[in-house]
Amino acid sequence: DGGITQSPKYLFRKEGQNVTLSCEQNLNHDAMYWYRQDPGQGLRLIYYSQIVNDFQKGDIAEGYSVSREKKESFPLTVTSAQKNPTAFYLCASIGQGAIGQPQHFGDGTRLSIL
Amino acid sequence: RKEVEQDPGPFNVPEGATVAFNCTYSNSASQSFFWYRQDCRKEPKLLMSVYSSGNEDGRFTAQLNRASQYISLLIRDSKLSDSATYLCVVNAGNNRKLIWGLGTSLAVNP
Repeated sequence: DGGITQSPKYLFRKEGQNVTLSCEQNLNHDAMYWYRQDPGQGLRLIYYSQIVNDFQKGDIAEGYSVSREKKESFPLTVTSAQKNPTAFYLCASIGQGAIGQPQHFGDGTRLSIL
Repeated sequence: RKEVEQDPGPFNVPEGATVAFNCTYSNSASQSFFWYRQDCRKEPKLLMSVYSSGNEDGRFTAQLNRASQYISLLIRDSKLSDSATYLCVVNAGNNRKLIWGLGTSLAVNP
């Protein structure tokens, strides 16, 4: 079945460590997104990519980095510069076609600081 | 004014009740609108897209009012399983960046 796979489901980060969250989709979608959600809060956009080898900063990009070398993959690195990384991270994608396509989500990754 | 605003609730209603949520948006160039539901500690799931003429899916009805820049979601005959947070989503004009509301919490009580 087509879908978005995020891994790992749970991740722990030590102080000063960079960690990478994986997001893979087999939906042949062009656009991919990373969001952060804190408890009781809404989704905040970190980065998004509309095509391969191109990406744009969202509202809270500081302390994060991404790459989009393949259409299927959009990994997110949480760097040591992100001082408060504990959150629920959600990856999403949108298909081709006219504006009006909804986003599809992976199951999310919960990141905590050790 | 926030780009997308929702009443956070919580809305507490008895089973069988009808409940309505509104969501206002600030970008008059927005072209696509959605309602998602999110259960606790889960990813958001698409509930329904919102079309200009309004649309219905079973007990759920969505409406768009472009003049006043709001969308609405009506849930009839509420079930316990409808308890969740309902998120309003609007696209940012002519690109595929979506703007998310903070959500409205619904609790349906027996």
